[in-house]
Amino acid sequence: NAGVTQTPKFRVLKTGQSMTLLCAQDMNHEYMYWYRQDPGMGLRLIHYSVGEGTTAKGEVPDGYNVSRLKKQNFLLGLESAAPSQTSVYFCASSYGTEGRYEQYFGPGTRLTVT
Amino acid sequence: DQQVKQNSPSLSVQEGRISILNCDYTNSMFDYFLWYKKYPAEGPTFLISISSIKDKNEDGRFTVFLNKSAKHLSLHIVPSQPGDSAVYFCAASPDRGGNQFYFGTGTSLTVIP
Repeated sequence: NAGVTQTPKFRVLKTGQSMTLLCAQDMNHEYMYWYRQDPGMGLRLIHYSVGEGTTAKGEVPDGYNVSRLKKQNFLLGLESAAPSQTSVYFCASSYGTEGRYEQYFGPGTRLTVT
Repeated sequence: DQQVKQNSPSLSVQEGRISILNCDYTNSMFDYFLWYKKYPAEGPTFLISISSIKDKNEDGRFTVFLNKSAKHLSLHIVPSQPGDSAVYFCAASPDRGGNQFYFGTGTSLTVIP
């Protein structure tokens, strides 16, 4: 039981390049989330999904796209990376049902855009 | 605009004593609150939660108190242990924890042996 895994762990991009971050969970959770964490700031929600095939915008969605084609996977895409997207990205998942709202987080992906 | 605030970036406590971490929020629609603990180079891990219908929730050494009128919650750790040294985040949700969560900036707790 691996929980929530993220691929890759580290990545360096040049401005304008694209990439996809992969999140996978093996807990059969309905809800999945992508956050970014910047120095001096808390985690900010980028996008989330309440089930397979669904996505919704969070607090800071600009410059990112997501897809949830399979229940266990949630992909975060950067179409044209900018230095402002240098951050640590965390994926999380939860049951999303009464009394089971806590989120389980992956280990994070450190992204640097030069 | 930060809707969830943790005004103390850091806190040091002697082992065995009580640690009190504070969190304030501005959105009166928040009705579900959680605390997470984070070690360096790891993702946050869930500690304890509380819904707005309660004012206290306890789990072992961890107790969360909620004061809705003051829009304030606190996490008490008793007794504090060196392994509790980590960054603690509070988070709040306006929809019973299902969708959007708003996190504070974190408080770094150091428990001195």
